Amino acid sequence: DAGVTQSPTHLIKTRGQQVTLRCSPKSGHDTVSWYQQALGQGPQFIFQYYEEEERQRGNFPDRFSGHQFPNYSSELNVNALLLGDSALYLCASSLGQSSYNSPLHFGNGTRLTVT
Amino acid sequence: LAKTTQPISMDSYEGQEVNITCSHNNIATNDYITWYQQFPSQGPRFIIQGYKTKVTNEVASLFIPADRKSSTLSLPRVSLSDTAVYYCLVGDADQAGTALIFGKGTTLSVSS
Repeated sequence: DAGVTQSPTHLIKTRGQQVTLRCSPKSGHDTVSWYQQALGQGPQFIFQYYEEEERQRGNFPDRFSGHQFPNYSSELNVNALLLGDSALYLCASSLGQSSYNSPLHFGNGTRLTVT
Repeated sequence: LAKTTQPISMDSYEGQEVNITCSHNNIATNDYITWYQQFPSQGPRFIIQGYKTKVTNEVASLFIPADRKSSTLSLPRVSLSDTAVYYCLVGDADQAGTALIFGKGTTLSVSS
């Protein structure tokens, strides 16, 4: 039973560029949440997708957008990259929108470096 | 969403029991408590979850007093491999689209 898989594992981009990160949820899960984790900090919630729609959003600018596909996989897009976007981007999946009785399962993230 | 407060760091030795306490004074009636563990360069991993009283699984126990304003994660007989960051989160069990908010967590260092 595959867990949450994310690709790529590492990525280096230049300021102003755009990036797309991908996530496949754990088998049986239908909800995907994205988090940004800066070095030494806890993960910060970006947004959550359920039934192919963004259901909740954290305090992130519109440069951060996403998509969920019919097979429940998801993409995170970041436009006009800034140096401050350098972080570990984590994808988490769960069954249903509330993680009560269905805890979040995290992937190992994509390490994004913006130069 | 209820905020949580945890110690920044804790030190322990192998074989000892470790108790990490989390304060959540503004916890709401429908809120539940979840703990995650994170190793460097990995995503957080679910440890345990509870609503009230005591919950125990194969790796930890979670103690929640009657007022639910705090909770304590208990790790029995820790080993070097338990060195990690531990996060306490509070979330609404009934609210659709609940986003769990992570704080900075507690860095546990286990020595031999």
